[in-house]
Amino acid sequence: EDKVVQSPLSLVVHEGDTVTLNCSYEVTNFRSLLWYKQEKKAPTFLFMLTSSGIEKKSGRLSSILDKKELFSILNITATQTGDSAVYLCAVEPLNYGGSQGNLIFGKGTKLSVKP
Amino acid sequence: NAGVTQTPKFRILKIGQSMTLQCTQDMNHNYMYWYRQDPGMGLKLIYYSVGAGITDKGEVPNGYNVSRSTTEDFPLRLELAAPSQTSVYFCASKSWTGGYYGYTFGSGTRLTVV
Repeated sequence: EDKVVQSPLSLVVHEGDTVTLNCSYEVTNFRSLLWYKQEKKAPTFLFMLTSSGIEKKSGRLSSILDKKELFSILNITATQTGDSAVYLCAVEPLNYGGSQGNLIFGKGTKLSVKP
Repeated sequence: NAGVTQTPKFRILKIGQSMTLQCTQDMNHNYMYWYRQDPGMGLKLIYYSVGAGITDKGEVPNGYNVSRSTTEDFPLRLELAAPSQTSVYFCASKSWTGGYYGYTFGSGTRLTVV
């Protein structure tokens, strides 16, 4: 069964800290891995990763994929209170049960950044 | 504004009632999805559609039905609401953009069944 496991499930840090969120997956046929940020509403897209070892960056956020070890990390440096959210990792398999590529989500990591 | 529009944003249903969650996108995307998200959980796929007239079950389809008569609309129907259907429902569409698939999510419908 295809699955995505995120860790930790929750994390509390102080402003200025650096955090690393983990996502491991087991997928029969891998197409891509996506990271989303969710703040009490719809998930908003952060990164899409398809190739190992290529870091994606956006401001203080960065992510990398390891297709050999089947995991990805999301790093946030110099955290701010506005980074408080649930971070979702999702994998898009190729032809998942004939579904033409829906997303398989992990449970998310709830990040709380204290002032 | 272009995107995925869901209505209503909130709804309380009594057990056994029925309702339709509306989802409309104006981006001409063929692929559309309905997910539900329970507290502390990721999103689980209910139904999906790869184009008008074509729908199929996802991971958790029981208690739901969908239709796709047009490219724009993908309504989700609950026939006999049960407390287990209390959840937040997200509609999404997918397109091929800039060399990869991009997902656009609606703002969600928070449903409570009492």
